[in-house]
Amino acid sequence: GQNIDQPTEMTATEGAIVQINCTYQTSGFNGLFWYQQHAGEAPTFLSYNVLDGLEEKGRFSSFLSRSKGYSYLLLKELQMKDSASYLCAVRETGTNAGKSTFGDGTTLTVKP
Amino acid sequence: KAGVTQTPRYLIKTRGQQVTLSCSPISGHRSVSWYQQTPGQGLQFLFEYFSETQRNKGNFPGRFSGRQFSNSRSEMNVSTLELGDSALYLCASSPPRGSEQYFGPGTRLTVT
Repeated sequence: GQNIDQPTEMTATEGAIVQINCTYQTSGFNGLFWYQQHAGEAPTFLSYNVLDGLEEKGRFSSFLSRSKGYSYLLLKELQMKDSASYLCAVRETGTNAGKSTFGDGTTLTVKP
Repeated sequence: KAGVTQTPRYLIKTRGQQVTLSCSPISGHRSVSWYQQTPGQGLQFLFEYFSETQRNKGNFPGRFSGRQFSNSRSEMNVSTLELGDSALYLCASSPPRGSEQYFGPGTRLTVT
C-alpha cells in the first residue's frame, strides 16, 4: 500500500523560491509525479522522477531520493499564477502496477 | 492533439439512480485511469484500463464499474447512487511509453 504526506498549506511571496516536500512509503516504487491543480480545474502534469536526483524544467524542478522515500518540488521566481494546489503522486509496480496514489495536495498561496 | 475529453461535464442525479460517465483519451493513449475527487478525500484511484483490460482497481464498492473499448474510450458506471458519491470524477490517459497522466476536465456529479 501507499502513504503519501505533504504539507497542507504554504504561503510565499511573488519572486521568491518555495520548496514543497513529499514523503512516501510504498511496497513497489515505479515513479513519482508532481501535478498542479488550479481551483476548479483538472490536474496538469508538471514533472516525473524515477531515478534519484534533480529534474529541472524551467522555473520548476523536482528532486527524488528513493532510499529516503522523499521528493520535493522547487518553484523559482514565483508568480501569482503559481497559486494552486500541488499534488504528489506515486506509481506502483507489481500487483498494483498501473495504480497511482495521490497525496492530499499542498495549497500554495503566492502573495504580492 | 486534442486533450482528454469527458462527457457530460455536469450531472445531477437522485439517490438510487445509476449513471454512466464517458472519457475519450488523447489519440494514441491506451491507458485510461479514473479518479474520484472530493474536498475531504482528495484524489482517490478508482481503476485503470489498458487495451480493454482492467489492470487495477481501487478500494471502492462494486457499485463502481468501468470498461474500455477497442478505440481506448472508456466509461465508468455507478449504480444505486448515494449522496456520498457526489464528487468530481476525473479521467486521465497515459502515453504508450510514459507514465505521466493527462487529465480531462472532469464530470461534476451531484447526487440529491
